[in-house]
Amino acid sequence: TQLLEQSPQFLSIQEGENLTVYCNSSSVFSSLQWYRQEPGEGPVLLVTVVTGGEVKKLKRLTFQFGDARKDSSLHITAAQTGDTGLYLCAGVSLGNKLVFGAGTILRVKS
Amino acid sequence: KAGVTQTPRYLIKTRGQQVTLSCSPISGHRSVSWYQQTPGQGLQFLFEYFSETQRNKGNFPGRFSGRQFSNSRSEMNVSTLELGDSALYLCASSIGQRTDTQYFGPGTRLTVL
Repeated sequence: TQLLEQSPQFLSIQEGENLTVYCNSSSVFSSLQWYRQEPGEGPVLLVTVVTGGEVKKLKRLTFQFGDARKDSSLHITAAQTGDTGLYLCAGVSLGNKLVFGAGTILRVKS
Repeated sequence: KAGVTQTPRYLIKTRGQQVTLSCSPISGHRSVSWYQQTPGQGLQFLFEYFSETQRNKGNFPGRFSGRQFSNSRSEMNVSTLELGDSALYLCASSIGQRTDTQYFGPGTRLTVL
């Protein structure tokens, strides 16, 4: 069974701080997706990374796919209260199966 | 283009009852997947339907079932409800495969008393 471990499970920070969320596995993935879910809503896809070492930027969010395609990170610069939510990573295995991590709950306080 | 819609948004049932949840995918999307989300277990895959056929299934008991209609709309049914079935049930649609970009609905919050 392929597992995706996310850390930390919970993060509470002040507005303006930087943070990094990690998504790790012992398995190789052909691609990795990051979602954000706000309370009362379904997850919304933020980005998909497909190439080892790839870095994608979405305004203040920077996503990186590990060189070996076994891990990924999400870095948020100068967090805002609107960044509050549950961040989920999901990996597509080499066998074309989709696996979700347990998520990181981010709370940004004003 | 309208997003994925789920009805109802909230449901309260008692143990032993059954429930049917509905999902309308984005127009043109043929794959519909269902997930159960709980604080303790996270997002758990229930099943995926494509062209009215169940294509993939997660590790849930037979009390959980689903179907897809010719217009791609999907329903899932849970029979003999248990307290542990209380969760947010999410539906997601994608064009062809579950591993394609998925668009999630807002979910149905089911509470079993």
